[in-house]
This record gives sequence, C-alpha cells and structure tokens, in this order.
Amino acid sequence: KQEVTQIPAALSVPEGENLVLNCSFTDSAIYNLQWFRQDPGKGLTSLLLIQSSQREQTSGRLNASLDKSSGRSTLYIAASQPGDSATYLCAVALKLVFGKGTKLTVNP
Amino acid sequence: GAVVSQHPSWVICKSGTSVKIECRSLDFQATTMFWYRQFPKQSLMLMATSNEGSKATYEQGVEKDKFLINHASLTLSTLTVTSAHPEDSSFYICSASATSGASYEQYFGPGTRLTVT
Repeated sequence: KQEVTQIPAALSVPEGENLVLNCSFTDSAIYNLQWFRQDPGKGLTSLLLIQSSQREQTSGRLNASLDKSSGRSTLYIAASQPGDSATYLCAVALKLVFGKGTKLTVNP
Repeated sequence: GAVVSQHPSWVICKSGTSVKIECRSLDFQATTMFWYRQFPKQSLMLMATSNEGSKATYEQGVEKDKFLINHASLTLSTLTVTSAHPEDSSFYICSASATSGASYEQYFGPGTRLTVT
C-alpha cells in the first residue's frame, strides 16, 4: 500500500527566504507525482506535475524534483512571498495518494 | 483550459436526507473522474473512481450504497450522499482526468462543503 509522507508538517519563514518542502513515498512504481497548493477551505491548485520518467519540473519560482528510486520529491520555492502561505500537498499517481501536507506561513 | 467545477460549493442538510453534488469538466472530456473526501486538518482520501458509462470503483471502507456515484457523460459525474448523518459532514472534492497519453494528470474542482445537522 502506497504511503506518502510530507516533512515538515508546518513551516514558518520570513519573506524572501528560499525554502524546501519534502515528500517521500513508499512504492516507487508511480506514474507521476503532483504538487498542489490548498488555501484554507478551498480546493486544490495544481502547481507542478512530474512524470515518472522526468527528474524535475520548473514553473516560475517553483522547482520540483523527483528521485523515483529513493522515493523522494522536493518542492523548492525561491524568494518566498506572503502570498505563498498555504498548505502544500504532494500526491503520487495513478490513483492519487496524498500526503498530509506542509502548512507554509511566510511572514512579511 | 482543464477547468472542473462543482455544485453546490456549500450545502447544509438535515440528518436522514440525501444530497447530490455535481462535478463537471467544462472544457475537456473526462474519461475518468475521482471523488475525494477531506476531514478537517486531514489530507484528501480517495473515495471512488468512475469511468463514463461504467459502475464506480469504491475504495475499501467506502459504502457504495451510501455514496452513489453516477458518471453518465464525459463531462458530468454526480455524488449522492444518501441518508446523511452528521459524521458525513466533510469537504468533498472531485477531480477529472482526460488521460491523454500517459499523463494521467488530474484536474480538481473547488470542492463542496457538506454540513449535516
């Protein structure tokens, strides 16, 4: 049974700091890995999708890496802003299995 | 592109009644739709997977007679919570996948908050 773990559970940083969120999964047989953002009481916003054959994806200030063999992914956020404050979830496919998320707070 | 909507966004119902939640893919045909449930401060848990024209596949522990899923077209899936109880109060989120090639990317709706009184 696939299990997804996200560390840390919560993170508070000052504005402008670069930060890394971690995601690990137990079964390396995945189709893809997605990173999402969820604002309080809202649905999910897809940030990045990495196919199983890829090593990383970039979008703006976000960079996600995937090491399938070790069952790990990281989400790197550069120059964090208060608007980045949200819960970040990673999930592995085919049937998406989600981690519990990292709640990020960026302080002005 | 790849927009998924849900209706209603928020619903309150009395215990014992049924409530229907709609999930629509607005600009693509969704071969597969998924229904998730999220309790406060918990992550999303997959409830069921549905393919257009087929019966839904439910995850272990999810009562198929209580959570009725219909995927009648390539753009619409519905989840009906029957005989709702307060413990069914949760945030329900659907997603849709066009399964183009091997992408399997899922696009999520904004969610429906259900409160059963």
